[in-house]
Amino acid sequence: NAGVMQNPRHLVRRRGQEARLRCSPMKGHSHVYWYRQLPEEGLKFMVYLQKENIIDESGMPKERFSAEFPKEGPSILRIQQVVRGDSAAYFCASSPVGTSGDEQFFGPGTRLTVL
Amino acid sequence: AQRVTQPEKLLSVFKGAPVELKCNYSYSGSPELFWYVQYSRQRLQLLLRHISRESIKGFTADLNKGETSFHLKKPFAQEEDSAMYYCALSAGSARQLTFGSGTQLTVLP
Repeated sequence: NAGVMQNPRHLVRRRGQEARLRCSPMKGHSHVYWYRQLPEEGLKFMVYLQKENIIDESGMPKERFSAEFPKEGPSILRIQQVVRGDSAAYFCASSPVGTSGDEQFFGPGTRLTVL
Repeated sequence: AQRVTQPEKLLSVFKGAPVELKCNYSYSGSPELFWYVQYSRQRLQLLLRHISRESIKGFTADLNKGETSFHLKKPFAQEEDSAMYYCALSAGSARQLTFGSGTQLTVLP
C-alpha cells in the first residue's frame, strides 16, 4: 500500500492563475480530508469528502476554493484566481469508514507558491 | 468552537533527560485527543491517541479533563525523537482534526 499520494509536490502559480491539487487516498479508504498549513502555523481543516459527496466544507474559504472527490479518480482541491495569501502547504488525509476517533493517514503535501 | 494550544514552539532537551510537550484544549464536550509527529523529510503520522491508552516509542499522554490538557511525556529522550509534534483534537461527531501549532523537539547528544 503506497499510502496517501499527493501531486504535484510543488506548484508555482502566478497571481490570477488556477491551481489544481490532487490526492489519491489509501486503498480502501473512502474518506478524504484537506488541510492547509500557513507558515509558522498548525494545519487548519478545510473540507471533508466522501466519494461524490462533500460532507463538511466549514473550513473552506467562501470564494475561489472548491473540492471534489469523484466516483473514479483522485480528490481535487481547486483554487481559482490564486493570490499571494494562498501560498501554503496543502495536506490531504484519508481514513477508512469509521468514527471520529479514526486515525487519519496523511499525504506528503503540496507546497503552493504564488508569485 | 474547539481550540488546541501548544505553548512551546521550540523545545530542546539532552539525550536521556525527561521530556514533556504541553497541550491544552478548549472544548465543552468530550473530545478525542491525538498526538501526531513529523520526522524530518517524512509525512505526518499518528503517534498515539488517548482512547488507546498505549505507550508508543516510550511516549505516553494522559487526558486531564479538569485541566483540559493532554501533555506528551517520555522519561528518557532519545536523539531519534527529534521531530515536530502536533497535538490534535476531534470533537463530537465531526471527523476533522483541530491541530495545535506544533512543537519542534530537539534532543541534543
